[in-house]
Amino acid sequence: EVQLVESGGGLVQPGGSLRLSCAASGFTFSSYWMSWVRQAPGKGLEWVANIKQDESEKYYVDSVKGRFTISRDNAKNSLYLQMNSLRAEDTAVYYCARPSTIGSSNRASDIWGQGTMVTVSS
Amino acid sequence: DIVMTQSPDSLAVSLGERATINCKSSQSVLYSSNNKNYLAWYQQKPGQPPNLLIYWASTRESGVPDRFSGSGSGTDFTLTISSLQAEDVAVYYCQQYYGTPPHTFGQGTKLEIK
Repeated sequence: EVQLVESGGGLVQPGGSLRLSCAASGFTFSSYWMSWVRQAPGKGLEWVANIKQDESEKYYVDSVKGRFTISRDNAKNSLYLQMNSLRAEDTAVYYCARPSTIGSSNRASDIWGQGTMVTVSS
Repeated sequence: DIVMTQSPDSLAVSLGERATINCKSSQSVLYSSNNKNYLAWYQQKPGQPPNLLIYWASTRESGVPDRFSGSGSGTDFTLTISSLQAEDVAVYYCQQYYGTPPHTFGQGTKLEIK
């Protein structure tokens, strides 16, 4: 079964750090771009970042540039999001997502994890 | 960045009636070299991740009921549910995946039963 499982969320104080993980199974992880998408409580979806198969290309939404770092370990079939200098507005459910086609980032996402909640509060 | 704007923000439709949701992009998401619109529609129910319904603006994802259809090109797109069922109550999002990221989403449209 094709599956993505996020972990690492929790409560963190403003200015703190957190590292999210996404474990992939049931498909050739190393062949796909991968993305993070977040959703603040009661709000809409926000695309956050994506990463190419070999980590040679990474893209971020402006609001997280310089604070978040996306990475991956293809040997462990895992995607990561290192979040530093966290702010209250980063509070959200964070989803990892896979595009529908091998080799391209310009595809809709057909596989999503269940998400992990990050709460930034003192 | 491409801005996606959906309308309306919320919609109430009677069971069995047609529901129409619109999505407008701030620039064209039609790629001329392959004549494809880089536009997807997702359905999200409470407590669940998004579920892909439509890609390339009008191609239905496998397993999606044929009452769901997508249309449009360039900057203006529509998601239509031909005969609303109770299980279609959800929030619907459009997303563009054209060019260099960010691959932005619309703000969402909440669909309810009248």
